[in-house]
Amino acid sequence: SQQGEEDPQALSIQEGENATMNCSYKTSINNLQWYRQNSGRGLVHLILIRSNEREKHSGRLRVTLDTSKKSSSLLITASRAADTASYFCATPSTGANSKLTFGKGITLSVRP
Amino acid sequence: DVKVTQSSRYLVKRTGEKVFLECVQDMDHENMFWYRQDPGLGLRLIYFSYDVKMKEKGDIPEGYSVSREKKERFSLILESASTNQTSMYLCASSPMPPREQYFGPGTRLTVT
Repeated sequence: SQQGEEDPQALSIQEGENATMNCSYKTSINNLQWYRQNSGRGLVHLILIRSNEREKHSGRLRVTLDTSKKSSSLLITASRAADTASYFCATPSTGANSKLTFGKGITLSVRP
Repeated sequence: DVKVTQSSRYLVKRTGEKVFLECVQDMDHENMFWYRQDPGLGLRLIYFSYDVKMKEKGDIPEGYSVSREKKERFSLILESASTNQTSMYLCASSPMPPREQYFGPGTRLTVT
């Protein structure tokens, strides 16, 4: 069953702009993760935020987590053409912490 | 750096053939996963393994089997390939306790 759902499904921005992507989930989690996938390649882990954290930064990435609203956002600042990719949020599956459930992804296009 | 490798990037097989997809990780991870990724459906978990010779069904195990004889290697087997198994197959591994997953580059399988 789908746990994380991303929004919007697709996003197109100009290089230098910020990109904000959202993820909502249904059940309680102990962490939420964001991944990137370049076209035709495997996924790459970007950042993990734990349920007791509200915000986390990694380079140009900022992730927030609101457990009361069961939502997370990924902000990419000063976007570059190389940020063009699909972005997925993932949450641990209920009752089986080894497994992750992935959303369907957001396609980000950054125009040069 | 963790490295997850998959035996083929592209594979073309005929209906009814037995297909082996191999995945090897070099970080001594306990957990290994096989996903398939289809447009509009996101990533779906086929099988996962949390130890040598241990396996658990994911969300869509029908038509697939797996083998984990050594810790570093996790094989996905299509006993009799069908056209609806044409897809991108992604292997991943993660340590214990589980956190982020590390993905291989993917195998794009076409069954004709």
